[in-house]
Amino acid sequence: QVQLQESGPGLVKPSETLSLTCTVSTGSIRGYYWTWIRQPAGKGLEWIGRIHSSGGTNYNPSLKSRVTMSVDTSKSQFSLKLNSVTAADTAVYYCARDAGSFGYWGQGTLVTVSS
Amino acid sequence: DIQMTQSPSSLSASVGDRVTITCQASQDIRKYLNWYQQRPGKAPKLLIYDASNLQTGVPSRFSGRGSGTDFTVTISGLQPEDIATYYCQQYDYLPWTFGQGTRVEIK
Repeated sequence: QVQLQESGPGLVKPSETLSLTCTVSTGSIRGYYWTWIRQPAGKGLEWIGRIHSSGGTNYNPSLKSRVTMSVDTSKSQFSLKLNSVTAADTAVYYCARDAGSFGYWGQGTLVTVSS
Repeated sequence: DIQMTQSPSSLSASVGDRVTITCQASQDIRKYLNWYQQRPGKAPKLLIYDASNLQTGVPSRFSGRGSGTDFTVTISGLQPEDIATYYCQQYDYLPWTFGQGTRVEIK
């Protein structure tokens, strides 16, 4: 059973960079795509992008100019950076394993953008 | 981007009722459609993948069908634990996109 856990600051100031890490345990990070999805309070799900364990990435064009993803296979971790954040980026951020379908998810972490 | 449109946005049904949620894609996505259940305060859970395949451990009262642009998920005998929001998601074309969700409540 693959387990994922998001970590990172819960509060980010406007115009700064949101940084989150997802740690994969009880399973290998190698050979898979790993994805980030977010959900503003009371709203639907938005796919942010994904990274393969080899480092290849696909980003949502709506966020592409502000997103960077990276992976550290030695630590079984992958990360998300979203720069120039505004209040509209306030959301619960989930990491998940991406096989086109998302069968394994982290519990989610709330990130609030506020001064 | 592929637009995914779910209907209805919400529904209220009695325990034991048959409930059907529809998802329509803005273009042909073949069979590449998944369904998720999200209970309040929880991460989404994969119910059905590739339009009609039940994820391991999901009760058999859930079923999915469809291909191309029109898809449905049906709950045959609504249970109290099925109270949740349901999302469809396509993965034929990047970026992956979700429907807006259907909230299911007990009458």
